[in-house]
Amino acid sequence: GQQLNQSPQSMFIQEGEDVSMNCTSSSIFNTWLWYKQDPGEGPVLLIALYKAGELTSNGRLTAQFGTTRKDSFLNISASIPSDVGIYFCAGYSDGGSQGNLIFGKGTKLSVKP
Amino acid sequence: KAGVTQTPRYLIKTRGQQVTLSCSPISGHRSVSWYQQTPGQGLQFLFEYFSETQRNKGNFPGRFSGRQFSNSRSEMNVSTLELGDSALYLCASSLRGADNYGYTFGSGTRLTVV
Repeated sequence: GQQLNQSPQSMFIQEGEDVSMNCTSSSIFNTWLWYKQDPGEGPVLLIALYKAGELTSNGRLTAQFGTTRKDSFLNISASIPSDVGIYFCAGYSDGGSQGNLIFGKGTKLSVKP
Repeated sequence: KAGVTQTPRYLIKTRGQQVTLSCSPISGHRSVSWYQQTPGQGLQFLFEYFSETQRNKGNFPGRFSGRQFSNSRSEMNVSTLELGDSALYLCASSLRGADNYGYTFGSGTRLTVV
């Protein structure tokens, strides 16, 4: 089945540093979403991307929909302690057998004050 | 505007028992999806309901089932529980489906099977 490869698996950075993570797929997606999950809670949508090449920002977060439609990246600038959590990419391919969102395995972000 | 509500938050069951989890979507949302989250497998899609009909189904055994009511509230049921069913079960709702501004997730039900 379709899979999303998300990297890195984990990151341990200093407060104030910029963060970059990405997601790749072997197949084309029509939608890319980035979620953040805090411990004991459900994922929260950060950014949604609907067009190839689209670059969207949400505060210190910036995400891009790759031009090949098979990848996406998320950048966090000037990280702060509350950025700690697990970040998931998710792709939607209405041509897929599931016809539903497929999630990457997540990037666990730790921020050292 | 109330978010997605899942009940109960925590549940402990014994192998062989069955369990029913409940999800109330955001008002006006007609699509409800269920995911199983485990440390090893990540978020795995179970099924999606739209207007009381199952629209999509993931690769889970028939012990996992669900339904949606006319008010869009959804339940999922797991029969003959196994230890491996221990997981965080997440419900997510959207207006029409994942292509419409993504999903809003609930806080999940943490199921422990002993």
